[in-house]
This record gives sequence, structure tokens and C-alpha cells, in this order.
Amino acid sequence: GQNIDQPTEMTATEGAIVQINCTYQTSGFNGLFWYQQHAGEAPTFLSYNVLDGLEEKGRFSSFLSRSKGYSYLLLKELQMKDSASYLCAVSAYGQNFVFGPGTRLSVLP
Amino acid sequence: GAVVSQHPSRVICKSGTSVKIECRSLDFQATTMFWYRQFPKQSLMLMATSNEGSKATYEQGVEKDKFLINHASLTLSTLTVTSAHPEDSSFYICSARLASGRAVGNEQFFGPGTRLTVL
Repeated sequence: GQNIDQPTEMTATEGAIVQINCTYQTSGFNGLFWYQQHAGEAPTFLSYNVLDGLEEKGRFSSFLSRSKGYSYLLLKELQMKDSASYLCAVSAYGQNFVFGPGTRLSVLP
Repeated sequence: GAVVSQHPSRVICKSGTSVKIECRSLDFQATTMFWYRQFPKQSLMLMATSNEGSKATYEQGVEKDKFLINHASLTLSTLTVTSAHPEDSSFYICSARLASGRAVGNEQFFGPGTRLTVL
């Protein structure tokens, strides 16, 4: 099986930078995904990492270390609309996609 | 990008009735669709994997006779909640995976979700 952990809640200020961590334990790792989910809506895809390193996409970046079972999502120049839940999900060969518990981010003015 | 639709977006029903939720991949073929359930302030929990032309695979603790899944075509999967009870009230989300089945960046495409309220 897979075990995924994220902080439950985080708070940051508009314009700041925030890092949301995700740790996982799995065999047959096949990729890690980050999704953003606003309340009452379906998740939307943010990023995908399968190799070690940093993937940058505008204000959002995602990092992966397979040896450490660790990823983070970095959000820069925070905006109020970034207040949402951020879900990390792990894909593994022969297993279903598993979501972490999610991190609720609150961006304050 | 790939688009997945769900219908209805919101449904309110009486206890004991059955509710059918449709999940469609609009511009691609999906051999595999997934059904998730999400309770307030919780993450998505996989209920079952729906494979076109074969029986669904249910996760542990999910009653297959209560949550009927049919994946009759490469673009449509349905979830029927039978004899619904108030504890079945939840946000149901489907997702679809491209027919290639490979993780190519955005492996699963999510529908907008269906909010079910059982009175």
C-alpha cells in the first residue's frame, strides 16, 4: 500500500512564498502529482514529477526526491485566490492513484 | 486538454431512493474511470475502478451492491447509489484515464463532481 502525509493546514500572507510538503512511502513509484481544490469543486492539476528535481511552472514549482520519499509544492507571490486545499497524489505501478490528506492553505491580506 | 463531465452536479433525494450519476469523457476515450468520494474537509477516497467492458474493482470497505458501477462504453461510466441513506451524502467525483494508461503528466482528468444530499 501507500502512505502519504501532508500538513493539515497552513496560513500565509498575500505576496509571500509558501512551501507545502508531502512525504510518501510506496513501492513501484510511478509519479507524484499536485492538485489544487477549491471548496465544492473538483481537483485541478498543478504539476507532475517523476524524476528528482524541481519543475517550475509560473508561480508554482514542485520538487521531488525519490530517495527521501519527499516532495514539496512552492507557491510564490501568493494571491487571495490561492486559498484552497492542495492535494499530493502518488501513482505506483500496479496500484491505484492515492491522494494524501490535503493541506488547507489560507492566504491572508 | 481532456474534459470530463458529470451529471447531475447536484442532487437531493429522499432516504431509500436510488440515484444515478453519469461520468463522461468528452473528447477522449477512457478505458478506465475512477469514482471517488469526498466528505467535508477530507481528501478524496477512491471507491472503485471502473473498466470498460468488465466488472468494477471496489476498494476495501465499499459495498459493491450498494454502489453499482457500469462502464458500458469508452466514454461513459455510471455510479448508482442504491437505497441511499443520509450517511451517503457526500461529494462524488469521477476521473478518467487516457486509453494509453501511461502517466504522461496529467494522468487523470477529473469531472466537476456531484453533490449528493440524502434527506
